[in-house]
Amino acid sequence: AQSVTQLGSHVSVSEGALVLLRCNYSSSVPPYLFWYVQYPNQGLQLLLKYTTGATLVKGINGFEAEFKKSETSFHLTKPSAHMSDAAEYFCAVSDRRGRASGSARQLTFGSGTQLTVLP
Amino acid sequence: KAGVTQTPRYLIKTRGQQVTLSCSPISGHRSVSWYQQTPGQGLQFLFEYFSETQRNKGNFPGRFSGRQFSNSRSEMNVSTLELGDSALYLCASSLETGGSNTEAFFGQGTRLTVV
Repeated sequence: AQSVTQLGSHVSVSEGALVLLRCNYSSSVPPYLFWYVQYPNQGLQLLLKYTTGATLVKGINGFEAEFKKSETSFHLTKPSAHMSDAAEYFCAVSDRRGRASGSARQLTFGSGTQLTVLP
Repeated sequence: KAGVTQTPRYLIKTRGQQVTLSCSPISGHRSVSWYQQTPGQGLQFLFEYFSETQRNKGNFPGRFSGRQFSNSRSEMNVSTLELGDSALYLCASSLETGGSNTEAFFGQGTRLTVV
Protein backbone atom coordinates (compact mmCIF):
# COMPACT_ATOMS: atom_id res chain seq x y z
CA ALA A 1 0.00 0.00 0.00
CA GLN A 2 1.15 3.49 -0.75
CA SER A 3 1.14 6.40 1.65
CA VAL A 4 2.18 10.03 1.59
CA THR A 5 3.36 12.14 4.51
CA GLN A 6 3.47 15.90 4.33
CA LEU A 7 5.46 17.39 7.19
CA GLY A 8 3.89 20.54 8.51
CA SER A 9 0.19 21.15 8.09
CA HIS A 10 0.83 24.90 8.15
CA VAL A 11 3.84 26.76 6.77
CA SER A 12 4.30 30.53 6.88
CA VAL A 13 6.90 32.42 4.88
CA SER A 14 7.53 36.06 4.16
CA GLU A 15 6.98 37.41 0.69
CA GLY A 16 10.19 36.93 -1.27
CA ALA A 17 11.45 34.11 0.96
CA LEU A 18 12.14 30.53 -0.01
CA VAL A 19 9.18 28.15 0.02
CA LEU A 20 9.89 24.56 1.06
CA LEU A 21 7.05 22.08 1.44
CA ARG A 22 8.03 18.58 2.42
CA CYS A 23 6.66 15.31 1.09
CA ASN A 24 7.76 11.77 1.80
CA TYR A 25 6.17 8.69 0.32
CA SER A 26 6.04 5.04 1.10
CA SER A 27 5.67 2.60 -1.74
CA SER A 28 6.92 -0.84 -2.64
CA VAL A 29 8.05 0.48 -6.00
CA PRO A 30 8.87 4.06 -6.96
CA PRO A 31 5.52 5.64 -7.79
CA TYR A 32 4.54 8.52 -9.99
CA LEU A 33 4.63 11.69 -7.91
CA PHE A 34 2.55 14.85 -8.12
CA TRP A 35 2.09 18.20 -6.43
CA TYR A 36 -1.31 19.87 -6.59
CA VAL A 37 -2.45 23.28 -5.37
CA GLN A 38 -5.92 24.13 -4.13
CA TYR A 39 -7.30 27.63 -3.69
CA PRO A 40 -10.35 28.20 -1.44
CA ASN A 41 -13.53 26.65 -2.80
CA GLN A 42 -11.71 25.40 -5.87
CA GLY A 43 -10.61 22.08 -7.27
CA LEU A 44 -7.03 20.90 -7.56
CA GLN A 45 -4.55 22.22 -10.07
CA LEU A 46 -1.46 20.27 -11.03
CA LEU A 47 1.78 22.10 -10.29
CA LEU A 48 4.20 19.44 -11.48
CA LYS A 49 4.74 15.71 -11.75
CA TYR A 50 7.57 13.20 -11.76
CA THR A 51 7.30 10.09 -13.88
CA THR A 52 10.72 9.13 -15.22
CA GLY A 53 13.94 10.80 -16.28
CA ALA A 54 15.35 13.94 -14.71
CA THR A 55 14.79 13.96 -10.98
CA LEU A 56 14.48 17.75 -10.78
CA VAL A 57 11.09 18.69 -12.13
CA LYS A 58 9.99 22.20 -12.97
CA GLY A 59 6.36 23.17 -12.81
CA ILE A 60 4.11 26.14 -13.16
CA ASN A 61 4.34 29.42 -11.24
CA GLY A 62 8.05 28.97 -10.55
CA PHE A 63 7.72 25.82 -8.46
CA GLU A 64 10.03 22.85 -8.72
CA ALA A 65 10.50 19.55 -6.93
CA GLU A 66 13.27 17.00 -6.70
CA PHE A 67 12.68 13.26 -6.55
CA LYS A 68 15.14 11.61 -4.18
CA LYS A 69 14.72 7.87 -4.26
CA SER A 70 17.18 7.22 -1.44
CA GLU A 71 15.21 9.53 0.84
CA THR A 72 11.79 8.63 -0.60
CA SER A 73 11.12 12.34 -0.81
CA PHE A 74 9.62 14.77 -3.28
CA HIS A 75 9.89 18.20 -1.65
CA LEU A 76 8.38 21.24 -3.35
CA THR A 77 10.34 24.50 -3.51
CA LYS A 78 10.05 28.00 -4.88
CA PRO A 79 12.91 30.48 -4.56
CA SER A 80 10.77 33.53 -3.87
CA ALA A 81 7.27 33.44 -2.41
CA HIS A 82 4.52 35.65 -3.77
CA MET A 83 1.30 36.61 -2.05
CA SER A 84 -0.62 34.73 -4.72
CA ASP A 85 1.07 31.47 -3.64
CA ALA A 86 -1.05 31.35 -0.48
CA ALA A 87 -3.07 28.17 -0.84
CA GLU A 88 -3.16 24.54 0.23
CA TYR A 89 -0.68 22.19 -1.37
CA PHE A 90 -1.07 18.46 -1.75
CA CYS A 91 1.52 15.85 -2.58
CA ALA A 92 0.15 12.72 -4.26
CA VAL A 93 1.35 9.40 -5.61
CA SER A 94 -0.10 6.92 -8.03
CA ASP A 95 0.86 3.33 -8.61
CA ARG A 96 3.39 2.90 -11.39
CA ARG A 97 2.12 -0.57 -12.08
CA GLY A 98 -0.62 -0.19 -14.66
CA ARG A 99 -3.39 -2.67 -15.21
CA ALA A 100 -3.47 -4.67 -18.38
CA SER A 101 -6.47 -2.73 -19.59
CA GLY A 102 -4.97 0.67 -18.85
CA SER A 103 -3.67 2.74 -16.01
CA ALA A 104 -4.90 2.56 -12.45
CA ARG A 105 -5.97 6.13 -11.98
CA GLN A 106 -5.98 6.26 -8.23
CA LEU A 107 -4.16 9.04 -6.47
CA THR A 108 -3.16 8.76 -2.84
CA PHE A 109 -2.88 12.21 -1.31
CA GLY A 110 -1.00 13.59 1.63
CA SER A 111 -2.90 15.53 4.27
CA GLY A 112 -1.97 18.86 2.74
CA THR A 113 0.09 21.88 3.76
CA GLN A 114 -1.54 25.28 4.10
CA LEU A 115 0.92 27.91 2.91
CA THR A 116 0.59 31.44 4.28
CA VAL A 117 2.62 34.23 2.72
CA LEU A 118 3.24 37.20 5.00
CA PRO A 119 3.72 40.69 3.58
CA LYS B 1 -11.29 23.66 -24.32
CA ALA B 2 -13.79 23.37 -21.51
CA GLY B 3 -12.56 21.94 -18.23
CA VAL B 4 -14.15 19.38 -15.96
CA THR B 5 -17.63 20.51 -15.01
CA GLN B 6 -19.32 19.43 -11.82
CA THR B 7 -22.93 20.15 -10.98
CA PRO B 8 -24.32 21.36 -8.75
CA ARG B 9 -21.65 23.41 -6.98
CA TYR B 10 -23.49 23.43 -3.68
CA LEU B 11 -26.07 21.10 -2.23
CA ILE B 12 -27.86 20.83 1.11
CA LYS B 13 -29.58 17.57 1.97
CA THR B 14 -31.22 16.06 5.02
CA ARG B 15 -30.04 12.91 6.77
CA GLY B 16 -31.53 9.82 5.21
CA GLN B 17 -32.01 11.35 1.79
CA GLN B 18 -30.08 10.39 -1.27
CA VAL B 19 -28.12 12.62 -3.63
CA THR B 20 -26.74 12.45 -7.16
CA LEU B 21 -23.75 14.45 -8.28
CA SER B 22 -22.75 14.94 -11.89
CA CYS B 23 -19.41 15.27 -13.63
CA SER B 24 -18.73 16.11 -17.27
CA PRO B 25 -15.12 15.34 -18.18
CA ILE B 26 -12.94 17.20 -20.62
CA SER B 27 -13.87 16.32 -24.18
CA GLY B 28 -12.04 13.17 -25.26
CA HIS B 29 -11.23 12.04 -21.72
CA ARG B 30 -12.55 8.58 -20.97
CA SER B 31 -11.39 8.11 -17.40
CA VAL B 32 -13.31 9.75 -14.57
CA SER B 33 -12.36 9.45 -10.91
CA TRP B 34 -14.16 10.68 -7.81
CA TYR B 35 -12.66 11.87 -4.53
CA GLN B 36 -14.11 12.94 -1.21
CA GLN B 37 -12.43 15.78 0.66
CA THR B 38 -13.12 16.41 4.34
CA PRO B 39 -11.17 18.34 7.00
CA GLY B 40 -10.74 15.19 9.06
CA GLN B 41 -9.91 12.56 6.45
CA GLY B 42 -8.43 14.72 3.71
CA LEU B 43 -8.69 13.60 0.10
CA GLN B 44 -9.86 10.04 -0.32
CA PHE B 45 -10.37 8.08 -3.52
CA LEU B 46 -13.91 6.87 -4.12
CA PHE B 47 -13.87 5.15 -7.51
CA GLU B 48 -12.74 5.37 -11.10
CA TYR B 49 -14.66 4.70 -14.27
CA PHE B 50 -13.34 4.02 -17.73
CA SER B 51 -15.49 3.23 -20.75
CA GLU B 52 -18.59 2.83 -18.56
CA THR B 53 -16.88 0.28 -16.31
CA GLN B 54 -15.80 0.74 -12.73
CA ARG B 55 -12.10 0.01 -12.82
CA ASN B 56 -11.06 0.79 -9.28
CA LYS B 57 -12.84 1.40 -5.98
CA GLY B 58 -11.79 2.95 -2.70
CA ASN B 59 -12.73 1.92 0.79
CA PHE B 60 -16.20 3.40 1.09
CA PRO B 61 -19.50 1.76 2.07
CA GLY B 62 -21.94 0.51 -0.51
CA ARG B 63 -24.06 3.65 -0.02
CA PHE B 64 -21.61 5.30 -2.37
CA SER B 65 -22.05 4.27 -5.97
CA GLY B 66 -21.38 5.65 -9.39
CA ARG B 67 -21.77 5.11 -13.06
CA GLN B 68 -20.45 6.37 -16.33
CA PHE B 69 -22.37 6.94 -19.52
CA SER B 70 -21.34 6.33 -23.10
CA ASN B 71 -20.39 10.01 -23.50
CA SER B 72 -18.01 9.60 -20.51
CA ARG B 73 -20.13 11.77 -18.23
CA SER B 74 -20.28 10.31 -14.76
CA GLU B 75 -22.60 10.46 -11.81
CA MET B 76 -22.09 9.44 -8.24
CA ASN B 77 -24.89 8.62 -5.86
CA VAL B 78 -24.94 8.57 -2.10
CA SER B 79 -27.94 6.93 -0.47
CA THR B 80 -29.16 7.21 3.12
CA LEU B 81 -27.08 10.30 3.76
CA GLU B 82 -25.27 10.68 7.06
CA LEU B 83 -23.89 13.83 8.66
CA GLY B 84 -20.39 12.51 8.01
CA ASP B 85 -21.01 12.55 4.27
CA SER B 86 -20.74 16.33 4.32
CA ALA B 87 -17.73 17.02 2.15
CA LEU B 88 -16.36 18.48 -1.04
CA TYR B 89 -16.71 15.87 -3.77
CA LEU B 90 -14.17 16.23 -6.54
CA CYS B 91 -14.24 14.70 -9.95
CA ALA B 92 -11.16 14.28 -12.12
CA SER B 93 -10.83 13.26 -15.72
CA SER B 94 -7.83 12.04 -17.63
CA LEU B 95 -6.86 11.10 -21.14
CA GLU B 96 -5.89 7.48 -21.00
CA THR B 97 -2.68 6.64 -22.82
CA GLY B 98 -1.95 3.45 -20.96
CA GLY B 99 0.22 4.83 -18.19
CA SER B 100 -0.48 6.05 -14.67
CA ASN B 101 1.45 9.24 -15.32
CA THR B 102 -1.39 10.76 -17.31
CA GLU B 103 -2.43 14.00 -15.65
CA ALA B 104 -5.75 14.13 -13.83
CA PHE B 105 -7.71 17.35 -14.33
CA PHE B 106 -10.00 18.25 -11.47
CA GLY B 107 -13.33 20.01 -11.44
CA GLN B 108 -14.23 22.67 -8.90
CA GLY B 109 -16.17 20.17 -6.83
CA THR B 110 -19.61 19.87 -5.34
CA ARG B 111 -19.95 21.00 -1.74
CA LEU B 112 -22.45 18.68 -0.05
CA THR B 113 -23.83 19.62 3.34
CA VAL B 114 -25.96 17.08 5.20
CA VAL B 115 -28.15 18.51 7.96
